[in-house]
Amino acid sequence: DIVMTQSPDSLAVSLGEGATITCKSSQTILYTSSNKNQLAWYQQKPGQPPKLLIYWASTRESGVPDRFSGSGSGTDFTLTISSLQAEDVAVYYCQQYYAAPTFGQGTAVEI
Amino acid sequence: QVLLVESGGGLVKPGGSLRLSCAVFGFTFNDHSMNWFRQAPGKGLEWVSHINTRSTYTNYADSVKGRFTISRDNDKNTLYLQMISLRVEDTAIYYCARRGLGERPDDYWGQGTLVTVS
Repeated sequence: DIVMTQSPDSLAVSLGEGATITCKSSQTILYTSSNKNQLAWYQQKPGQPPKLLIYWASTRESGVPDRFSGSGSGTDFTLTISSLQAEDVAVYYCQQYYAAPTFGQGTAVEI
Repeated sequence: QVLLVESGGGLVKPGGSLRLSCAVFGFTFNDHSMNWFRQAPGKGLEWVSHINTRSTYTNYADSVKGRFTISRDNDKNTLYLQMISLRVEDTAIYYCARRGLGERPDDYWGQGTLVTVS
């Protein structure tokens, strides 16, 4: 299995400030045929299912605010929230879908 | 509007069985492979099982292999998860999710159904 390791486990950020979450995979998740990293970021609020934010490591899903951005390639990835809003309080997960899907342990973002 | 609705969860004793269903609406079901995921109370997300569009390929997490069976009925736009020999550690919210097209990940998820083994 591909192991995904996120950091930090939790993060306290002031409103309007930036937040950065990192995710590392135990092996490359880059499809060489398409040159696309099979890496997604999800947001999960209490009592709700995960919501897709970012895929291919850096492509924002339709409707996702542009304060959310993703970067990285190969084994090292980052999710950045540029200016935290109250509605961004949630747990964020990275997921690789290069093989049978696996997730990072989650990062709880709070104000 | 894409919608996935799980049902079939509940309280079951260890060793018991349950069959989960996931009815889908608003998209062409047989164009998409599908996944089941689960989330134990207060824990992270775990992939459970995958099925391709024509049911010719299925895959399972080691933790459920031999006990869970994924299936689909494309005529009824419904995904299933048959679970037998349930264990306390299978207690979780079970989500069905649509795998996106063209190397996209799981882009739509249901609200989940709670399975409690106790």
